[in-house]
Amino acid sequence: GDQVEQSPSALSLHEGTDSALRCNFTTTMRSVQWFRQNSRGSLISLFYLASGTKENGRLKSAFDSKERRYSTLHIRDAQLEDSGTYFCAAEGGSSSFSKLVFGQGTSLSVVP
Amino acid sequence: GPKVLQIPSHQIIDMGQMVTLNCDPVSNHLYFYWYKQILGQQMEFLVNFYNGKVMEKSKLFKDQFSVERPDGSYFTLKIQPTALEDSAVYFCASSPNQDTQYFGPGTRLLVL
Repeated sequence: GDQVEQSPSALSLHEGTDSALRCNFTTTMRSVQWFRQNSRGSLISLFYLASGTKENGRLKSAFDSKERRYSTLHIRDAQLEDSGTYFCAAEGGSSSFSKLVFGQGTSLSVVP
Repeated sequence: GPKVLQIPSHQIIDMGQMVTLNCDPVSNHLYFYWYKQILGQQMEFLVNFYNGKVMEKSKLFKDQFSVERPDGSYFTLKIQPTALEDSAVYFCASSPNQDTQYFGPGTRLLVL
């Protein structure tokens, strides 16, 4: 079935630095959604992209519009409250009805 | 943003008993989903639901599982009978039109 490979699995950043997470897809995907899971386990939707890029504050996400085989999440000027587990989830092209295939997650720790 | 509620937040039951997990989706959404996350593992799709019917289900959606949304009330996931391997966090999600999926906070199910 469709697979989503997310990297890195864990990341430690100092406050104020920038970094990027990436998801590769084993097949062409229709769309991608990025989430942050907080310490209580709640999933917060950050972005939904069917193509191109979106930006919200210090976060920016891109979805490869040509081959639709990867997506990135950029974090600028990391803050302590950005800590959490980040998931990408993609919707494949083989199904008529949407279902998300999740990556394994990136555990992000922002330290002073 | 739009909020999906799940009741209860935690449930502990004995193996073989029945359990019903309740989801209160966003009021004008038409598409509903259940996902399962075993501790330390990635989120996996169980089932999607539209217009009163299951549209697609995964291999994880065993015969003991059923979903319904009677008369626009809660969207429920029932497991009867439960097994030890059903212990997990179950997330409900809803979507207005199969793009962004909004997730609830999850129900933590422990089967003893």
